[in-house]
Amino acid sequence: AQSVTQPDIHITVSEGASLELRCNYSYGATPYLFWYVQSPGQGLQLLLKYFSGDTLVQGIKGFEAEFKRSQSSFNLRKPSVHWSDAAEYFCAVGADTGRRALTFGSGTRLQVQP
Amino acid sequence: DVKVTQSSRYLVKRTGEKVFLECVQDMDHENMFWYRQDPGLGLRLIYFSYDVKMKEKGDIPEGYSVSREKKERFSLILESASTNQTSMYLCASSPEGAASNQPQHFGDGTRLSIL
Repeated sequence: AQSVTQPDIHITVSEGASLELRCNYSYGATPYLFWYVQSPGQGLQLLLKYFSGDTLVQGIKGFEAEFKRSQSSFNLRKPSVHWSDAAEYFCAVGADTGRRALTFGSGTRLQVQP
Repeated sequence: DVKVTQSSRYLVKRTGEKVFLECVQDMDHENMFWYRQDPGLGLRLIYFSYDVKMKEKGDIPEGYSVSREKKERFSLILESASTNQTSMYLCASSPEGAASNQPQHFGDGTRLSIL
């Protein structure tokens, strides 16, 4: 069965600084990987997804993520954070076999300092 | 634009009541999901449905049931509400295909308090 770990519960960065949010997954074959963002009081919005092919994936709002099979990781990055990026971020994994739904990580809450 | 609508943003009910949470999607999606979200626990899947009248248990189905009589509507039912069911409930849908590899579209959530 697949699983997802987001090791950082809470991260604070300064506006304009770079950002990297960590995501580690467990699954035997090539997984389907997603990053979602949740602004306060709202549902989740898809930032980007990886299915196959190029391991560097571009998403909305200037985010990107890199799939590294050797490290079982799918970290989310942004070169320059804006105050509006303050939110909670969730990594999710899916698979072709086994569990018939996505598995979500526990989330990382991002605070942005002025 | 894609739309998943949850009938209530905030709901307050009493212990022992039967509670209905409604979700409607306008994208003709096959798959629909109910999650609960609690601080530090992320999203936990309660039930999902891959077709009308079809359902499958998720990770925490105890104390809940679901109904999908029409493709666009997926209801979550708390048979006898208890205080430990106080939570944020999120509905989602995804298009035809394996539910395990499709991006999901979420509603804004229902914050349910059981007193």
